[in-house]
Amino acid sequence: GQNIDQPTEMTATEGAIVQINCTYQTSGFNGLFWYQQHAGEAPTFLSYNVLDGLEEKGRFSSFLSRSKGYSYLLLKELQMKDSASYLCAPKGDSNYQLIWGAGTKLIIKP
Amino acid sequence: DTEVTQTPKHLVMGMTNKKSLKCEQHMGHRAMYWYKQKAKKPPELMFVYSYEKLSINESVPSRFSPECPNSSLLNLHLHALQPEDSALYLCASSQSVSGMAGELFFGEGSRLTVL
Repeated sequence: GQNIDQPTEMTATEGAIVQINCTYQTSGFNGLFWYQQHAGEAPTFLSYNVLDGLEEKGRFSSFLSRSKGYSYLLLKELQMKDSASYLCAPKGDSNYQLIWGAGTKLIIKP
Repeated sequence: DTEVTQTPKHLVMGMTNKKSLKCEQHMGHRAMYWYKQKAKKPPELMFVYSYEKLSINESVPSRFSPECPNSSLLNLHLHALQPEDSALYLCASSQSVSGMAGELFFGEGSRLTVL
């Protein structure tokens, strides 16, 4: 079967670093996306990993280990605006469909 | 500013009404999608159009009817909906359906309430 696991909620302090983990089991693998979604808004693209390793993009980095079925999103220098849900979405055999995790709600405190 | 435009942003309809949701993109993307999202849940794929042809229908009830008039436009026709169909309906597009080019660009969504 296909399964995505990520924590339901995390809390962090402004200016700190937080790591959001995602483990997945999919039928085949064609890359993994991370999206950010603020409450009441549409998801926006953050990162894409298809090979093992770390992809850095400004304050956000994403890591992938295909052999472990594991990814994480690392957010540095947290800002209040980073309070949002973060959705892990690997792509399995079907090229059309992302398999969405339930999302991790990140709460940033001053 | 989002490059995928959805109208209307909010829609309230009765169970006997017929209405349509509209989506437009001018990025030259060849794949367009309809997703349904309930509160605190991830998006659920409903339909995928690739090169203006319906490629995926995720066993969606026939009261939802998609239409792709051309490569820039995607409609979702609604008829005889149920209160449980109330949700945020998201349109998305991607350059293609594979790899990095499969990055989804979402519209702001149409929030539907069925009374």
